[in-house]
Amino acid sequence: SAVISQKPSRDICQRGTSLTIQCQVDSQVTMMFWYRQQPGQSLTLIATANQGSEATYESGFVIDKFPISRPNLTFSTLTVSNMSPEDSSIYLCSVPPFGTGSIYNEQFFGPGTRLTVL
Amino acid sequence: QQQVKQSPQSLIVQKGGISIINCAYENTAFDYFPWYQQFPGKGPALLIAIRPDVSEKKEGRFTISFNKSAKQFSLHIMDSQPGDSATYFCAASMNTGFQKLVFGTGTRLLVSP
Repeated sequence: SAVISQKPSRDICQRGTSLTIQCQVDSQVTMMFWYRQQPGQSLTLIATANQGSEATYESGFVIDKFPISRPNLTFSTLTVSNMSPEDSSIYLCSVPPFGTGSIYNEQFFGPGTRLTVL
Repeated sequence: QQQVKQSPQSLIVQKGGISIINCAYENTAFDYFPWYQQFPGKGPALLIAIRPDVSEKKEGRFTISFNKSAKQFSLHIMDSQPGDSATYFCAASMNTGFQKLVFGTGTRLLVSP
């Protein structure tokens, strides 16, 4: 399985500010996914980040609020812009298995970034 | 149609007992059903997964039972241990496109000593 790290692990931010979360993978992967896990809730896919193309956003998520960069096959960033207390969540990146992707659609998750917006 | 319904929301089981978590789905195009285990402060970790061509898959103390006609699948944890105390998420995806996972709402399991 891939080794995935995220920075920061947690942060407390003021409303109206922005935070950029980094996701680093130890192997090259075509796709990276960003999820949000609100307190006590399930995981919701924000967007899929492909290297060399624009991210694909899920319904309810927009690029202006959650801009994503994917400069290479091992790294991605998610920015949470103009934050409000409702953005307080755990943000997770995930990747499929190294290589072409397992037929079993496995995903491996990073440890998450716990964001609190005051 | 994209939802995966999970129950119960929380579960308390005695050490050595069997923990059972159930999930149901509507979209018949789903063909991959993983279970994830999440400890506090950690990301979810893939525990076990099943495809609809089999009705059961067992890995150690963890078993997935799958009922295609009922569109239901469940996780059984045999001989539950305090170290199994975690939140468990079922999920489903189609084996097409970019492997989007749809997650259930999670079950918080507590195994008492």
